[in-house]
Amino acid sequence: EAQVTQNPRYLITVTGKKLTVTCSQNMNHEYMSWYRQDPGLGLRQIYYSMNVEVTDKGDVPEGYKVSRKEKRNFPLILESPSPNQTSLYFCASSYPGGGWNEQFFGPGTRLTVL
Amino acid sequence: AQTVTQSQPEMSVQEAETVTLSCTYDTSESDYYLFWYKQPPSRQMILVIRQEAYKQQNATENRFSVNFQKAAKSFSLKISDSQLGDAAMYFCAYRSATSGSRLTFGEGTQLTVNP
Repeated sequence: EAQVTQNPRYLITVTGKKLTVTCSQNMNHEYMSWYRQDPGLGLRQIYYSMNVEVTDKGDVPEGYKVSRKEKRNFPLILESPSPNQTSLYFCASSYPGGGWNEQFFGPGTRLTVL
Repeated sequence: AQTVTQSQPEMSVQEAETVTLSCTYDTSESDYYLFWYKQPPSRQMILVIRQEAYKQQNATENRFSVNFQKAAKSFSLKISDSQLGDAAMYFCAYRSATSGSRLTFGEGTQLTVNP
């Protein structure tokens, strides 16, 4: 089954404790992206990757890191989480070039930083 | 930079009735794509319908249709014969045809369907 998976689905942590949210897709997509969803703000892009070893900032990259060492995986790293990073996070993937290509979303990760 | 605005944070409709969700966007580009996504309580993002800016004909998917007004930069979603399963958060999204795969989302509209 074609899908994007994220782990964990729920995470409660404390300020400053490094964490990683994993994202994996099995559709051989070149493009992958991370979004955060906050009430009243919709989804905003954090980082994206056009291919292996190619990453770039989205609209809200501060406090986040990403890496793309393999085509299928695109982890999101919070090295020193803060309460303002409490949010719902989505990973997405698609073929490159935008346009008609549908982005496939993961199930979301609910992160709470105390 | 492109922006997408959904001015209705919440909407409600009676089952079997029709409802229209509004979306406006701002862009200087002439070629782009517009999408409506549905997010039910499961939080899964589900593509409902999409429209290419260079196509004048409005897209239709079963009970879902759009009213695309390019000059007004408006992209509303009409849901006909509303069903209880249509209750969800709906997001309007924009994608440039020339600058990659990034989606720019609106704030979302929470739709309630009353039995």
